[in-house]
Amino acid sequence: KAGVTQTPRYLIKTRGQQVTLSCSPISGHRSVSWYQQTPGQGLQFLFEYFSETQRNKGNFPGRFSGRQFSNSRSEMNVSTLELGDSALYLCASSLGGDTFRTQYFGPGTRLTVL
Amino acid sequence: QQPVQSPQAVILREGEDAVINCSSSKALYSVHWYRQKHGEAPVFLMILLKGGEQMRHEKISASFNEKKQQSSLYLTASQLSYSGTYFCGTGGGLSGANNLFFGTGTRLTVIP
Repeated sequence: KAGVTQTPRYLIKTRGQQVTLSCSPISGHRSVSWYQQTPGQGLQFLFEYFSETQRNKGNFPGRFSGRQFSNSRSEMNVSTLELGDSALYLCASSLGGDTFRTQYFGPGTRLTVL
Repeated sequence: QQPVQSPQAVILREGEDAVINCSSSKALYSVHWYRQKHGEAPVFLMILLKGGEQMRHEKISASFNEKKQQSSLYLTASQLSYSGTYFCGTGGGLSGANNLFFGTGTRLTVIP
């Protein structure tokens, strides 16, 4: 089975721009979660989508948004980029549902904001 | 809601043992352990559920103490391949664990 894929792997943007990151989950997985990883804050939960609906949300400003498509692929959008948004953005997929499920992480998208 | 991990870093010689702790101020329903090597994505090691058994992955095992709201990861007879940063993630509640809150990580270095 193919793993979680994320595109692009690297991205350089300037302040004020917006960016869209993409995540394709493992086949059959219906849940996609997004995390931001920085050296100072570690891994922080952004949001989770399950069956095209946002099911959980972390403590991030509204500039961070996402969506999920019917094929479970997910996109994350960050508008009005700030320098502090530079980070590794990881998505993780799992089967989802009501019970605890293992999450499998993608390789991440490294975003640099200049 | 972020769990606290200790120690922050540890250096071991091959064959030595180590314990990594993960504590939460909130009630724990599940604890997930991941290992991340430099430049790579976190890789799942094991999940412990409230009321569940101690889990094992090769020579790595973990326990979950519900009363203390703490989980411990035990690395036995460490190998060079164990080097990396270990994260514990605590579940968001009974509705599922797809919104994990991660600790700041424990950097483990195994030297020959």
